[in-house]
Amino acid sequence: SQQGEEDPQALSIQEGENATMNCSYKTSINNLQWYRQNSGRGLVHLILIRSNEREKHSGRLRVTLDTSKKSSSLLITASRAADTASYFCATDERGGGSNYKLTFGKGTLLTVNP
Amino acid sequence: DTAVSQTPKYLVTQMGNDKSIKCEQNLGHDTMYWYKQDSKKFLKIMFSYNNKELIINETVPNRFSPKSPDKAHLNLHINSLELGDSAVYFCASSLSSGGGVPQHFGDGTRLSIL
Repeated sequence: SQQGEEDPQALSIQEGENATMNCSYKTSINNLQWYRQNSGRGLVHLILIRSNEREKHSGRLRVTLDTSKKSSSLLITASRAADTASYFCATDERGGGSNYKLTFGKGTLLTVNP
Repeated sequence: DTAVSQTPKYLVTQMGNDKSIKCEQNLGHDTMYWYKQDSKKFLKIMFSYNNKELIINETVPNRFSPKSPDKAHLNLHINSLELGDSAVYFCASSLSSGGGVPQHFGDGTRLSIL
């Protein structure tokens, strides 16, 4: 089943502006991760936020988590052309026993125009 | 040094053929994965191995057979290729199979079936 749903599907902004992407999920989670995928490349892990955390920062990235609304947001401040990529949220689901699998949303395609 | 490397990067072949994709990680991780990303960028897990043992097997046709000769390698063999198999296949690894663990991805193998 698809757990995360990103919103918007596509976002186009000017360099220097902030970009906000949202992710909603359906079932309770222990943590949520955000990944970036540049065109033609693999996914790169950006940040992980646990269910008992409300906000987390990493450089120009700020992630929030609202477990009551089952949603998370990723904010990229002072965007650069190099931030152009697809961004995915992912949640853990039990895959059997103590093993977990990641379920990814459909992603937000961010385009930062110079 | 490339952390997760998969070969080949591109694979173009005829329907009905059999092909293999190889993956190697030099991170010392215990867990490896195969994902399929379709043309709409939806990423779905196919298999997961922990220390050479299959731990997650999603609803994947029997034509797909993963093999892990050691915990640093996970290969994917596909028999009787079909048009619907056209996609990008990603290998990934993580420290463990538990939840809340970031995954490291290869750059993908783009499979095109003619």
